Amino acid sequence: GAGVSQSPSNKVTEKGKDVELRCDPISGHTALYWYRQSLGQGLEFLIYFQGNSAPDKSGLPSDRFSAERTGGSVSTLTIQRTQQEDSAVYLCASSLGGRTDTQYFGPGTRLTVL
Amino acid sequence: GENVEQHPSTLSVQEGDSAVIKCTYSDSASNYFPWYKQELGKGPQLIIDIRSNVGEKKDQRIAVTLNKTAKHFSLHITETQPEDSAVYFCAASTVGSNDYKLSFGAGTTVTVRA
Repeated sequence: GAGVSQSPSNKVTEKGKDVELRCDPISGHTALYWYRQSLGQGLEFLIYFQGNSAPDKSGLPSDRFSAERTGGSVSTLTIQRTQQEDSAVYLCASSLGGRTDTQYFGPGTRLTVL
Repeated sequence: GENVEQHPSTLSVQEGDSAVIKCTYSDSASNYFPWYKQELGKGPQLIIDIRSNVGEKKDQRIAVTLNKTAKHFSLHITETQPEDSAVYFCAASTVGSNDYKLSFGAGTTVTVRA
């Protein structure tokens, strides 16, 4: 079946602008994660959604970052007033949830803030 | 929180030789250790994982070992091929709790020389 998809694949924006990144998880997966991957670095956890539970936002680096997940499926990560240090690849992953733990990643969105 | 360290950061091997990547973790409660392979321009893909109730797991040319006492785990790739060239990430999490966040190592860039 279809894997995790993300859009856009690339986004170039000017400093101070807002951006929205989209993630479509694998159908039926109740858990959804956002990670950030800076150049040459590992993956940094941002936020986690599990079913109808309140999201775990403990990894969001500042209040400029927010995310929502509508209808338990598609998720949008919003970065307001972007800064150059926000430039990175933003990866989304989903898993079946519950006690199932394998996370399947999308191809990522490469964000460049000029 | 969990802290995962990964070594080496880069690894160059001759085709046909073996490659070994080592990771250590800090949280003794961690019980799930996946390894991901990331090719250029793509999201990480799970290649093998191990849980704390086993010490070794093998899948064709790939094997992972776990030493819970020492809190380290390793990835072994035998008979390396050019298509094994990629960035490899180790990770750790505590499955079965309410926290499914994966903590990632910084990655190892593996280059297989033909």
